[in-house]
Amino acid sequence: GDSVTQMEGPVTLSEEAFLTINCTYTATGYPSLFWYVQYPGEGLQLLLKATKADDKGSNKGFEATYRKETTSFHLEKGSVQVSDSAVYFCALSNTGTASKLTFGTGTRLQVTL
Amino acid sequence: EAQVTQNPRYLITVTGKKLTVTCSQNMNHEYMSWYRQDPGLGLRQIYYSMNVEATDKGDVPEGYKVSRKEKRNFPLILESPSPNQTSLYFCASSLAGEDEAFFGQGTRLTVV
Repeated sequence: GDSVTQMEGPVTLSEEAFLTINCTYTATGYPSLFWYVQYPGEGLQLLLKATKADDKGSNKGFEATYRKETTSFHLEKGSVQVSDSAVYFCALSNTGTASKLTFGTGTRLQVTL
Repeated sequence: EAQVTQNPRYLITVTGKKLTVTCSQNMNHEYMSWYRQDPGLGLRQIYYSMNVEATDKGDVPEGYKVSRKEKRNFPLILESPSPNQTSLYFCASSLAGEDEAFFGQGTRLTVV
């Protein structure tokens, strides 16, 4: 079946540091890939997505590129802020819809001053 | 405001006492799902529904029931809760044919 593997957290960074959170996936066909973010006490919200190979999703300074050859979708940000502290989930959909999402385990990011 | 609303936000209950967690969305979405979030396991889908009176099992349906009698509501029912159902539960909704899911704020359930 489909699966998503994320790097273990927590990740602790100083403000303005560079962020990478690794994500790889296993899936049949051509899934859509997502990063969701969960701020403390809140539900998940979509951060960015990519629907085909070599697509780059971007939002709020975060980027991720759909790499089919390495089955990866790593999340990056050039300069993190304290307000980016949250849990980040990599996910995929193999249905073309959001009816069934397969999530990774989540990576907690803590940004300090 | 477009939103997915879950109630209650927090619940402590005893083993075997039936409970219902409600979920309502005001976006006229066709699809709705329930997930549970556990440390080290991420989110796992319990049940989903693609329209009224159309529900199907997700990856971890054992011990749960759902119903979809109205488009906006998708309650999660635990007929006889057990401690291994202690978890953080999320309801999500989406438009048919779209790939973005909208999540509620979560329900933290503790079964003692």
